[in-house]
Formats: sequence, C-alpha cells, structure tokens
Amino acid sequence: GAVVSQHPSWVICKSGTSVKIECRSLDFQATTMFWYRQFPKQSLMLMATSNEGSKATYEQGVEKDKFLINHASLTLSTLTVTSAHPEDSSFYICSARAHTSGGFNEQFFGPGTRLTVL
Amino acid sequence: AQSVTQLGSHVSVSEGALVLLRCNYSSSVPPYLFWYVQYPNQGLQLLLKYTSAATLVKGINGFEAEFKKSETSFHLTKPSAHMSDAAEYFCAVTGGGADGLTFGKGTHLIIQP
Repeated sequence: GAVVSQHPSWVICKSGTSVKIECRSLDFQATTMFWYRQFPKQSLMLMATSNEGSKATYEQGVEKDKFLINHASLTLSTLTVTSAHPEDSSFYICSARAHTSGGFNEQFFGPGTRLTVL
Repeated sequence: AQSVTQLGSHVSVSEGALVLLRCNYSSSVPPYLFWYVQYPNQGLQLLLKYTSAATLVKGINGFEAEFKKSETSFHLTKPSAHMSDAAEYFCAVTGGGADGLTFGKGTHLIIQP
C-alpha cells in the first residue's frame, strides 16, 4: 500500500513554455501533499505544502506565481512550472501524507520527475 | 524549526565492513527522524523511521539507527556492507506530520570491493 505516482517521469521543454507535473496517491487519500526540488548532486528542498481544497503554502524564496500548485482532490496534486527557464531544470519529487486519526502520519514519496529546460 | 547535519559528504568502506553514517539534528519540538536511500536517477526509498517509540529502530536491508536525545543524533549503521548499498543516503527530520521534511545534504556511500 501507500503508493505515490508522478507523471511524467521525465520531460524536456523549450525555454518559455509551461510544464505540468502530476502527483497521485494511488491507494490512499492524501489531505496534504508536498513538493520538493533536488538539483544535481544536492539535497531535497521543500518548495511548498499543498492541502486539498486550499491554497498552497510556499517556502521562503519559492515564487508562487512561477510554481503553480493545485490540489483539487484527495488523490491528485499538480505542479505547473510556468515560463520555464534552464535554471528550473531539476528533479521534482512529491510526497503525500495520508489522513488518519491520531498518531503520526507518514509521508510517502513519488518516484520524481526530471525536468530539463533547453 | 528543524535542521539536519550529515557529517561526511562521502563515506567509503570495504565490502563486509561496518557502515556508519552520521546524522545530527536540531529541533524545537520532539522530532520525527528518517533515513532515506536514493539510487542514481531514482526517487527516495525509506530505510527506517523514528516516531517516538523505540529508540533503536530497525529498517530494511539490515540497516538500523539509534535515536539519542542527549546527543541529538540519529546515526545509521549496518554491520556488514554489501556492494548494493552504494548509494546516496539522506537523513531527514520533521516536527510533525503536517510539516514537510527537512533533509540533510546527503552522504554518498562508496563500497570498495
């Protein structure tokens, strides 16, 4: 159980275009999803926290108008990189937190999406 | 606020030797701690987690970690390294389930034949 998928697994786009990445929880309902970014040979950095039905909360330094997050259902969150530029090339990883009552709610990670902007 | 420090960006051990990857954390609330492994061009795989139960946590692939509050540490160990253990390892902390994870910079584990 607790499987999270991402689509696409990799994407190459031209500078100035927009790219949408999907994150789905396949076998559980995720009230909260997180988006992380990982540059080559670096660690993961939290970009934003997305709660179903409400606006995402962005970490300091992350442009909300550039990285649009939509969490319209309990199983789907999308990240749209608008007007992508080469410096946005990175590995984007989402995680989903199951909704349970009491206790600690673990995050489950997707396999990541490799974005390359030419 | 939370932070994680992983000592040693690269660790090299011989096959069959003890693996020790160090992680120290800082947290203003009781922490939840994790170790993840990442193989090249892949996502994260959870090795083990500490969520305020037993301080010695056993994970997959023979790894274990011990939560030491007095030392603010959560070091990862494995008694005998295998070639397949070569990968990037990340320690992470969160203050609660509603928060995202704060990751350390990672430690690249190299296994010498």
